[in-house]
Amino acid sequence: AQSVTQPDIHITVSEGASLELRCNYSYGATPYLFWYVQSPGQGLQLLLKYFSGDTLVQGIKGFEAEFKRSQSSFNLRKPSVHWSDAAEYFCAVGANTGFQKLVFGTGTRLLVSP
Amino acid sequence: KAGVTQTPRYLIKTRGQQVTLSCSPISGHRSVSWYQQTPGQGLQFLFEYFSETQRNKGNFPGRFSGRQFSNSRSEMNVSTLELGDSALYLCASSLAQAVSSTDTQYFGPGTRLTVL
Repeated sequence: AQSVTQPDIHITVSEGASLELRCNYSYGATPYLFWYVQSPGQGLQLLLKYFSGDTLVQGIKGFEAEFKRSQSSFNLRKPSVHWSDAAEYFCAVGANTGFQKLVFGTGTRLLVSP
Repeated sequence: KAGVTQTPRYLIKTRGQQVTLSCSPISGHRSVSWYQQTPGQGLQFLFEYFSETQRNKGNFPGRFSGRQFSNSRSEMNVSTLELGDSALYLCASSLAQAVSSTDTQYFGPGTRLTVL
């Protein structure tokens, strides 16, 4: 069975500083990996996804993530954070089992300080 | 193109009652999945439907049920509500019946259920 760990519950970053959110997954085969963002009162919006190929994936809003099989990680990065990036970020894993089910991490809440 | 619509957005019920939540997927999408989001348990998968068939179900008691109609709209029902059912219920729609690199799950804004 798949599982996802996001070790940081909260992270505070100064506006303009770089950001890295950690995600570790557990899955026996090649995982399908996703990062979603949730703003207050909103649903989840997909930032980026990894299925195969290049291990560095570019997403929307200037985000990127790097898949590292040896570390079972899929960390999300952004070179310069904007105040509007304050939200909760979820890493998720899917499987090549013929279903849409995703398993989500517990989320990391990003606070952006001026 | 309209996004995923969920109604109602907010709901207050008392213990023992039942509730029905509705999800209208993006036009053309035939797959609908439901998730429960709580502060303690995070996002947990409830079930998924494709072309009116429930294809997968999460680890929830039988009080949680759902269905999908021929127009792909989906409803979920929770009977005999408990305090612990208070949560944000999210639905997601997609084109395909399985996760794929060419498809994306789009989430609705959720229904906030409060059980008193």
